[in-house]
Amino acid sequence: NAGVTQTPKFQVLKTGQSMTLQCAQDMNHEYMSWYRQDPGMGLRLIHYSVGAGITDQGEVPNGYNVSRSTTEDFPLRLLSAAPSQTSVYFCASSFQTGYGYTFGSGTRLTVV
Amino acid sequence: GIQVEQSPPDLILQEGANSTLRCNFSDSVNNLQWFHQNPWGQLINLFYIPSGTKQNGRLSATTVATERYSLLYISSSQTTDSGVYFCAVGHNAGNMLTFGGGTRLMVKP
Repeated sequence: NAGVTQTPKFQVLKTGQSMTLQCAQDMNHEYMSWYRQDPGMGLRLIHYSVGAGITDQGEVPNGYNVSRSTTEDFPLRLLSAAPSQTSVYFCASSFQTGYGYTFGSGTRLTVV
Repeated sequence: GIQVEQSPPDLILQEGANSTLRCNFSDSVNNLQWFHQNPWGQLINLFYIPSGTKQNGRLSATTVATERYSLLYISSSQTTDSGVYFCAVGHNAGNMLTFGGGTRLMVKP
């Protein structure tokens, strides 16, 4: 039982490049979400999903896309990286409403 | 949207001391969680506590939903308690959370 697995752990991109941050969970959780954490701040919600085939925007969705084709996977795509997207990205999952979150270990992204 | 404020923003304790962290929120919630982010960045869920009181070892939490606040108690603090403590709340069916700014705790030996 691996929990929530995020890859890669570190990434450096050039402005304008695209990439996908991977997130996978093996706990059969329905709910998955992506957050970003900027230095000295709390986490802000980017996108979330309440089940396979269902996604919605969070607080800061611009510049990011998501899809949820399976219960296990919830990738986050950066369409055209910008320096403002330099951050630490966390993926989280929970069984359903009324249950606590489990977080992945994060991806530290730098856009130069 | 819902606002979440945590206090104090920073806290320094001597090992063995007790502390209380506070989380105020601006609207009714059906989801409230406390997290510890350790110095390596890992986020650990401490409590799911939209109301009532829970205890887990040296940690306990109380949420008074009608008055829109939650408290996290740390007793007999240890250096391993250092890190940032986040309160996060939600009030919709998707279990999505809004995070407070955190309390940064340093426990000195």
